[in-house]
Amino acid sequence: AQSVTQLDSQVPVFEEAPVELRCNYSSSVSVYLFWYVQYPNQGLQLLLKYLSGSTLVKGINGFEAEFNKSQTSFHLRKPSVHISDTAEYFCAVTRRLNTGFQKLVFGTGTRLLVSP
Amino acid sequence: DTGVSQDPRHKITKRGQNVTFRCDPISEHNRLYWYRQTLGQGPEFLTYFQNEAQLEKSRLLSDRFSAERPKGSFSTLEIQRTEQGDSAMYLCASSFQVKLTSGSSYNEQFFGPGTRLTVL
Repeated sequence: AQSVTQLDSQVPVFEEAPVELRCNYSSSVSVYLFWYVQYPNQGLQLLLKYLSGSTLVKGINGFEAEFNKSQTSFHLRKPSVHISDTAEYFCAVTRRLNTGFQKLVFGTGTRLLVSP
Repeated sequence: DTGVSQDPRHKITKRGQNVTFRCDPISEHNRLYWYRQTLGQGPEFLTYFQNEAQLEKSRLLSDRFSAERPKGSFSTLEIQRTEQGDSAMYLCASSFQVKLTSGSSYNEQFFGPGTRLTVL
C-alpha cells in the first residue's frame, strides 16, 4: 500500500517570496507522483507529475518539484508566489503498473496562504 | 467545455433521505473514479469503473452506497439513508490509459468540480 505525508497543514508566505511545500511518501513498489491544486469549492487541477526520467519536473503556473528516491520525497517549490496561488495543495501517489487499476492516494493537503 | 462535469454542485438533505449524484466524464475516457473528501482531508478513493464494469470498491463504500455506470458513459453515486457522517465533497474523475515507453502504463485523472453534500 502507498501513503503520503504532508507535514505542513498551512504555510503562510508573503507575495513574491519563495515557497516550498513538503511531501513524503511510502510505498513498497515503484510509484508515480503528483501535485494537485484545489481552489475553494472547486475540484482538483493537476500542477505537475513525475513519471520517470529527470527528477526535476516543471509544471503549470511556475511550480516545480524534485523527486528524491533516497529520501522518498517530492517537494513542491515556486521561486516567487502570487496572491492568486492561495489554495490547497495536495501531493498524491499511485503505483507504477504495466496494466490495470491505479487509484490516487492523497496526502492531507497544505494550505498556502499568500499575503501582500 | 469538454471537462468532467458533476451535478448537482451542492446538495443539502435531511438525515435518512436518499441522494443521487451524477458524473459526466470526458467523452473519450473509459475509466471513471469516485472519491470522497471530508473537511481538512485529502480525497479518498471510493470506487472505479472501466467502461460499465465496476472493478474496484473501497472499504469506505458501505452497503448504503451504490454506484453505476450503465452504458459506460455517465455514472451515478447513490447514498441511501444518509447520515451526518456522509457530509463531504464527492469528486468524480475520468482517465484513459497511456502506455509509456518503459512498458508501464499511466492514467492521468481529470477531476470534476465535485458535489458538496450536507446532511442535517
